Order: sequence, then structure tokens, then C-alpha cells
Amino acid sequence: GQNIDQPTEMTATEGAIVQINCTYQTSGFNGLFWYQQHAGEAPTFLSYNVLDGLEEKGRFSSFLSRSKGYSYLLLKELQMKDSASYLCAVRDSNYQLIWGAGTKLIIKP
Amino acid sequence: DTGVSQDPRHKITKRGQNVTFRCDPISEHNRLYWYRQTLGQGPEFLTYFQNEAQLEKSRLLSDRFSAERPKGSFSTLEIQRTEQGDSAMYLCASSLAEREDSYEQYFGPGTRLTVT
Repeated sequence: GQNIDQPTEMTATEGAIVQINCTYQTSGFNGLFWYQQHAGEAPTFLSYNVLDGLEEKGRFSSFLSRSKGYSYLLLKELQMKDSASYLCAVRDSNYQLIWGAGTKLIIKP
Repeated sequence: DTGVSQDPRHKITKRGQNVTFRCDPISEHNRLYWYRQTLGQGPEFLTYFQNEAQLEKSRLLSDRFSAERPKGSFSTLEIQRTEQGDSAMYLCASSLAEREDSYEQYFGPGTRLTVT
């Protein structure tokens, strides 16, 4: 079967750094995505990894290890507006996105 | 507005009624996806189109669900004989897939369905 695991909820402090982990087991691999979703809104694209290593984009970075079936999203200098759910999704051998349940990130002042 | 749009944004219906949702993708995008999302879960794939061709349907999609994209532009998703378990957010996304390595899906705001 196909499975994507990520923590259900995390709490962090404004200005701090938080790392959200994602592990996956899928039939094939054609890239891993991170999306942000605020409550009641649609997901918006954050990052894409297809090769091992770190991709940095401003305050957000995403890391991938294909041999370990593992990725993380790193958020720096946290702001209150970063309170949202963060969804990990893997594109499988059929080029379909398999989604995790999302990690709800709560930012406290 | 050049984003993905969906109509209606909210729909309340009684069990047993039929409902139809519409999605207008970004104009140059040839791929269109339908997802269902319930609270606390990630999006669940329902079906997708490349141009007007429906290329894949989820095995979880019952016969009560049907989708069309007649001219390769907008798409409709119909649910017949709605059940309370159909209550969810229905998301549409589009992407440009001239090459297999294109990646980003752009999501619409969703249609929230409540079946009473």
C-alpha cells in the first residue's frame, strides 16, 4: 500500500525554527511536494524536491532523502501567519499525488 | 483573475438529492484534477483529465460520482443520490503538463458540501 506519515500537530514560538517531518512508502517516486493550507482555504504550493538534498526558498527549506523515504520542511523566523496545516505529498509512478493528512502548526507569541 | 475558480463555494443539500459543482481551471492548463478533503485529512484524489479525456478515476469513487470536461476547459463533478458521508470540501486543481516533469498544481478555493 501507499502511505505518507507526518505528525498531526506541532507547536512553536514566534521567531523560532520548526522542522516538520514526512516519511513515505509509495509505488514509485517522481517528486515530493510541500503545500501550506490555512483553515478553510485551498492548499498553496511551497516546495518541490525530486533529488536528494536541501532546497531553500526564503524562510522555508525542504530536504529529501530518497533512500530513507524521508523529507522535512524547515520554517525559520516563524511568524503568526505561518499558523496553518502543512501537507506532504508524493507523486507516484503514475504521476498522481499521494497526500499525507497534514501537520497542523500552531504558533504562539 | 487568472486563478482556478469553483462554483458554488458552499452547497447544502438534503440526502438523496443530486448536486453538481463546476471548476474553471487556469486557461492554459491542460490537466484538471478533482479531490475530496475532510477535516483533518489531506486531499483524496478522485479523478483527473488531460484536455477532455478522463485518464484516471479513483477506485474509491462510487458510481454515484461522475465528472466531465466536455471541451477541455471547465469541468463539472456530479454526485447523485447524495449521502451524509459525501459531506466534504471538493477541491479542483489544474496544472500544465506538456512535459512529465512539470509539477505544480494550482488549487481552487473549493466547494464545501453539507448533506443533511
